[in-house]
Amino acid sequence: NAGVTQTPKFQVLKTGQSMTLQCAQDMNHEYMSWYRQDPGMGLRLIHYSVGAGITDQGEVPNGYNVSRSTTEDFPLRLLSAAPSQTSVYFCASSRRQGAGTGELFFGEGSRLTVL
Amino acid sequence: AQSVTQPDIHITVSEGASLELRCNYSYGATPYLFWYVQSPGQGLQLLLKYFSGDTLVQGIKGFEAEFKRSQSSFNLRKPSVHWSDAAEYFCAVGEGNNDMRFGAGTRLTVKP
Repeated sequence: NAGVTQTPKFQVLKTGQSMTLQCAQDMNHEYMSWYRQDPGMGLRLIHYSVGAGITDQGEVPNGYNVSRSTTEDFPLRLLSAAPSQTSVYFCASSRRQGAGTGELFFGEGSRLTVL
Repeated sequence: AQSVTQPDIHITVSEGASLELRCNYSYGATPYLFWYVQSPGQGLQLLLKYFSGDTLVQGIKGFEAEFKRSQSSFNLRKPSVHWSDAAEYFCAVGEGNNDMRFGAGTRLTVKP
């Protein structure tokens, strides 16, 4: 009954370091996405994927890279971390893209602090 | 431009009291409407959704929401709040194949 699994749950980085947030889902969902959550701003879409080998930018993509080599996995990479990337990151998935699918399934989040 | 507004950043209610959380949106047509709840340290969980039909929608945990087209609103309600309802609540709105857009959230505190 795993659903969407994110790792790590917590991470502290220094400015300029790189890291990868991992996301895996076991529901055979075509659509996967990454959001960041900041106080007073709700969730903002970073990148998304509609299937293996297909990714696209969301609302706030700068400073982040993604890839989708399998249906199950959708890692988010920070190439050179900046303090502005301090946030809580959520991975989400659904059967396909769009609000019309009815529901996004979320992971438990990854809290990232960049010093 | 499309937008989702939750006017209340933080609401405090006493346990057993009624609750109403507000959500307003700006979209061209009637969009799909959602409420999610985020308990401390957890991801978001869907409470309820509105696609069409009856404008009063029932969800999990005793929550309901009413779609009012004339007011572009989708307010979340609960008749009697429990301490376990303390959480952050997000309204989300979307159209068709487009991704849903989230409001800024309302944090609910429940007083004993």
